[in-house]
Formats: sequence, C-alpha cells, structure tokens
Amino acid sequence: DQQVKQNSPSLSVQEGRISILNCDYTNSMFDYFLWYKKYPAEGPTFLISISSIKDKNEDGRFTVFLNKSAKHLSLHIVPSQPGDSAVYFCAASSAGANNLFFGTGTRLTVIP
Amino acid sequence: DAGVIQSPRHEVTEMGQEVTLRCKPISGHDYLFWYRQTMMRGLELLIYFNNNVPIDDSGMPEDRFSAKMPNASFSTLKIQPSEPRDSAVYFCASSFNAGAYNSPLHFGNGTRLTVT
Repeated sequence: DQQVKQNSPSLSVQEGRISILNCDYTNSMFDYFLWYKKYPAEGPTFLISISSIKDKNEDGRFTVFLNKSAKHLSLHIVPSQPGDSAVYFCAASSAGANNLFFGTGTRLTVIP
Repeated sequence: DAGVIQSPRHEVTEMGQEVTLRCKPISGHDYLFWYRQTMMRGLELLIYFNNNVPIDDSGMPEDRFSAKMPNASFSTLKIQPSEPRDSAVYFCASSFNAGAYNSPLHFGNGTRLTVT
C-alpha cells in the first residue's frame, strides 16, 4: 500500500564520513522525486529534488541519485556533519498530480 | 515571510471531544495540504485544496474528519468525535503554482494531537 518506502528507520554515521539514505518506490508513473529534512518539533523542509529525466542531481554536500529501472533513489551526504542529524523523508509525485507521496522517514544521527 | 502558521502546537483532549486544528498558508500560495505523520505510515496526505476548493479528500480516514478553507488565508481540520487512534502530528503545507509537482511544499511546524 505504501508507494514510497524507506526501509531503514535509522542510520548512524561518523562526522566527516558519507551518509547514504535509500528510498524505493512502486509506482512507475512517478517522475519527480524530492528529499525533505525534518528537525524535532519543526515541519519538514525541502532539501533537494530530481526529475526522472536525470539520474543525478547535486547541491553542495547533497547528491541525489535516481535508478529508474530499479525504482530506487538515494541521498548522499558528503561529508556528514552533526547538524545533518535529522529525519529524512523521501517523496514522489507524477506529472499532472498535485500531491506528494512520502516515505516513513529515516532518522540520521551524525556522531561527532 | 512568516511561513505556514499552525495552531495550536499541542492539543490534548479526551476521546469523544471535538478537535479543531488551524492553518494559515503562505500568502500567495494557492495550494494547501493537510498531512498526518505517524510512525507506521510516515506522512500521509489527508486532503488538499486549490484556490480554496477541496480537490482530493481521498486520504481523509473517515467521516469524523472534515476540512474547510473559507478563504485564501485560513484552513481548518476538524475531528469529531476524536478517538485515541487519531493521536499523531498533523501538518499543514502550502505551495505555489503547480502544487506539489515541481514546486516544493512549505510545511508548518505541526500540531501534536494526543487523544486520551
């Protein structure tokens, strides 16, 4: 029933190392994907997105990779910093739709 | 810009009581969304509006839930009667132009609802 899945509820990484967060989707109509970051007691904030016409999008320390054939995307954070500790949500949408489908989130802890 | 404003931040109520959550979207945004966050299902879309008109309410759990948007600057989500399983964090979000597609959502800080 969940069209966007984040199978790892949590991830711990040492400061300075790479964090890799994964996301899978089931709906082949999805063609726009986003990552949101959420700190405690705050709403999610937009981090980075990718269209299905690309397989990679980079913004500073954050890179999103899309593998359409596998219906899989990942978020890479390099280098990881303690301030990156948050819950990361993967989301997807399709052309002509005006809503987003979210995953259950992955809690990232960056250890100083 | 003040961002999306939700009230109250916390609500504790007893089962059977009516609960009303409020949202003020960002000025100029013509899409408004209500989401619910739970551990099991993550962020679920409940309903969204375009230009104050409800477009898709298929995510509303049951008839106990209702949402209105009387004008461009205000929306409410009402639960009557409330039940313990409604306990969750409820988020309001707004966006400009194309809705969620190709246009990031701006979320409020949420209302944490606890029904005892």
